[in-house]
Amino acid sequence: DQQVKQNSPSLSVQEGRISILNCDYTNSMFDYFLWYKKYPAEGPTFLISISSIKDKNEDGRFTVFLNKSAKHLSLHIVPSQPGDSAVYFCAASEGNNNDMRFGAGTRLTVKP
Amino acid sequence: ETGVTQTPRHLVMGMTNKKSLKCEQHLGHNAMYWYKQSAKKPLELMFVYSLEERVENNSVPSRFSPECPNSSHLFLHLHTLQPEDSALYLCASSHLTGVGYTFGSGTRLTVV
Repeated sequence: DQQVKQNSPSLSVQEGRISILNCDYTNSMFDYFLWYKKYPAEGPTFLISISSIKDKNEDGRFTVFLNKSAKHLSLHIVPSQPGDSAVYFCAASEGNNNDMRFGAGTRLTVKP
Repeated sequence: ETGVTQTPRHLVMGMTNKKSLKCEQHLGHNAMYWYKQSAKKPLELMFVYSLEERVENNSVPSRFSPECPNSSHLFLHLHTLQPEDSALYLCASSHLTGVGYTFGSGTRLTVV
């Protein structure tokens, strides 16, 4: 039962352009959403989050958009930099922080 | 270092061996987690410990046995594993009511 889905396993973007990573979820009870970034040989690190009471959260070059009616969220990175090349995981939880569900990840490659 | 330390970083074991993975955090978190990351799959939640009590066991085979002796340490005891158990095993910790998890760098396990 995969409640969080990232349907694009990979994405390649030119440096300086916008990267858009997408995530869909099925559980309407999810009320907190997060994006994690993972470099090879390291654990995922928290990047940005959004609660269900908002539809947008911005932090520097990173913006997360939430469309609750479509059960869809996206991460925008602009401008993209080669150092952004990593695997990005979408995650969601239902109030209780003890049960966070993750997507399969999207590998972003930013080309110089 | 994220504050969550996992050892060893790499482990190769035979199917008849017994080994243990260790996780340690000194972030003052009161919940700890074991996740399994297989290639191209979502992070799979294996076990959750909240206030040192196991609160979730997601149908994990008995050849995986967790132990949480205190709020700072978490172990995953392994015995008679199968080759399909080869994966990256990630430990994470969090506050019960906090935002997001802090992950360790993981243990890359190969079962031969």
